[in-house]
Amino acid sequence: DTAVSQTPKYLVTQMGNDKSIKCEQNLGHDTMYWYKQDSKKFLKIMFSYNNKELIINETVPNRFSPKSPDKAHLNLHINSLELGDSAVYFCASSPLTGGTEAFFGQGTRLTVV
Amino acid sequence: KQEVTQIPAALSVPEGENLVLNCSFTDSAIYNLQWFRQDPGKGLTSLLLIQSSQREQTSGRLNASLDKSSGRSTLYIAASQPGDSATYLCAVYDGNNRLAFGKGNQVVVIP
Repeated sequence: DTAVSQTPKYLVTQMGNDKSIKCEQNLGHDTMYWYKQDSKKFLKIMFSYNNKELIINETVPNRFSPKSPDKAHLNLHINSLELGDSAVYFCASSPLTGGTEAFFGQGTRLTVV
Repeated sequence: KQEVTQIPAALSVPEGENLVLNCSFTDSAIYNLQWFRQDPGKGLTSLLLIQSSQREQTSGRLNASLDKSSGRSTLYIAASQPGDSATYLCAVYDGNNRLAFGKGNQVVVIP
């Protein structure tokens, strides 16, 4: 069974559209994250949730809105997509207690045309 | 703000040689350090996790060391194989719900 799963794996869409990426973890972790990997392969945190509560919002445009219906799910909704949003988005999870291992999903490659 | 640097950015080695990948971080107040592997177009696979109180961790041919006071970690891969070709990412956990990543060491092992 996949520990952290994201859907879709690939997403191609036009500028101005609204899209969502879903993430689910079956590890029983309390903390979930969204990371963005840019064209230079640099990974940067976007959001962090603990037990459905937003902990980190790392200067991400308001067009990005995470939603956590329960602690096993963290979805990312993006409004009015722009060319610069093209990237790979990774979902991750870890136990609440600091100092433990983080697990990542396989990524969603978003291409805005 | 934590900054993580990985050197070298890219390297090629002949099969059988040992690999040495370096990671440095600016703030020594970390909870742990994690090494990941990323294959092209794929997700991140966790390789080793070193707690801040530990000096090293080993898994098979992989050994990672941590010197928290000097802000350094090294990943050693013994007897490299072509299947080790990938990008290796170092990430430090700061205790504030975030992992800070380096830009990776892109490794090619030549058969």
